[in-house]
Amino acid sequence: DAMVIQNPRYQVTQFGKPVTLSCSQTLNHNVMYWYQQKSSQAPKLLFHYYDKDFNNEADTPDNFQSRRPNTSFCFLDIRSPGLGDAAMYLCATSRRQLLQETQYFGPGTRLLVL
Amino acid sequence: SQKIEQNSEALNIQEGKTATLTCNYTNYSPAYLQWYRQDPGRGPVFLLLIRENEKEKRKERLKVTFDTTLKQSLFHITASQPADSATYLCAPGGGSYIPTFGRGTSLIVHP
Repeated sequence: DAMVIQNPRYQVTQFGKPVTLSCSQTLNHNVMYWYQQKSSQAPKLLFHYYDKDFNNEADTPDNFQSRRPNTSFCFLDIRSPGLGDAAMYLCATSRRQLLQETQYFGPGTRLLVL
Repeated sequence: SQKIEQNSEALNIQEGKTATLTCNYTNYSPAYLQWYRQDPGRGPVFLLLIRENEKEKRKERLKVTFDTTLKQSLFHITASQPADSATYLCAPGGGSYIPTFGRGTSLIVHP
């Protein structure tokens, strides 16, 4: 089945130690997103790729970076995780269309910062 | 700036009743509005999309309405079941707007 895969499902890192979360998709969608979601809050868009074009949200901290080496894969790098970065990180994909842009989410990676 | 409001209080209803969830938005005019379901510890799952020129959309026990004058969407689940218990997120989008999510409303259906 076509899907969005995130690895790992749970990630524990130490304060200040760089961490990378990965996402892959078999849907062949041209858009990939990274969201941060904290408990009982809305998913917060960090950035997205439209094909190879990177779009950063204005309030995304510089500590968060992303790479998309090809259509199928996208990575989220947190250069120096702080305690406030503990959250669920969601990857999503979509096929950009004017009147419909349904997003398909992966299961998420829960990040714990010690 | 764009703002999406969903009732932060959980909605508790009895099995078999109709659940109605509300989504209000301000400061923009989305071309469509989507509803997603999110279970604890999982990613959101798409349920329904309604466009600005549609007043109502149905899918099995789900019904969505979209009032662009009131800037509001209502999401109904008829004959609710305990398995419907989850958080439901609305996400207006379209045109120049990337779909933006509300914080969701938690629905708890009691047997």
